[in-house]
Amino acid sequence: DQQVKQNSPSLSVQEGRISILNCDYTNSMFDYFLWYKKYPAEGPTFLISISSIKDKNEDGRFTVFLNKSAKHLSLHIVPSQPGDSAVYFCAASAGGTSYGKLTFGQGTILTVHP
Amino acid sequence: NAGVTQTPKFQVLKTGQSMTLQCAQDMNHEYMSWYRQDPGMGLRLIHYSVGAGITDQGEVPNGYNVSRSTTEDFPLRLLSAAPSQTSVYFCASSYQGPGEAFFGQGTRLTVV
Repeated sequence: DQQVKQNSPSLSVQEGRISILNCDYTNSMFDYFLWYKKYPAEGPTFLISISSIKDKNEDGRFTVFLNKSAKHLSLHIVPSQPGDSAVYFCAASAGGTSYGKLTFGQGTILTVHP
Repeated sequence: NAGVTQTPKFQVLKTGQSMTLQCAQDMNHEYMSWYRQDPGMGLRLIHYSVGAGITDQGEVPNGYNVSRSTTEDFPLRLLSAAPSQTSVYFCASSYQGPGEAFFGQGTRLTVV
């Protein structure tokens, strides 16, 4: 039972354009969502997060949108740069003592072409 | 400024052997956890700990043991390695409450 799904295994965009990565979840107990970026042979690194009390969070070129009614979140990268090429994972956690327990999606490989 | 440190980075085991993957963090985080990453499956939680002396199972705990005697260390033990445990293993730590988890560089384990 995949509680967090990233249905696009890969995405290819041109440098300077917008990259939109999508994520769906099924567990209504999730109330905190994160995006991680991963390069080969490295650990995941945190990008941006959003609490369920918000519908948008912005940090520089990265914006995360949350649609709770649709159980859907998306990561927008504007403008995309070749250095953004990596695997992107969305992750979710429930509250209380479960914040440290992350449920991950399968990941989306983003390729940004110069 | 070490963060989360995992050792070893690479390991090859024979079926039936046992070993311990080490994880240490220097950020005084309460939460520590172990994940495994397999192709097409993202990262899956093996075991986690909310503090010294407290551990619990995650999504895929079978074949693994953990203990947490100090805040800094959270070793993962493979009792009798099987080819199905071939994977990349990541250790993570975080503060209690909402916030990011910090990951180590990973251990690539091959069981032959």
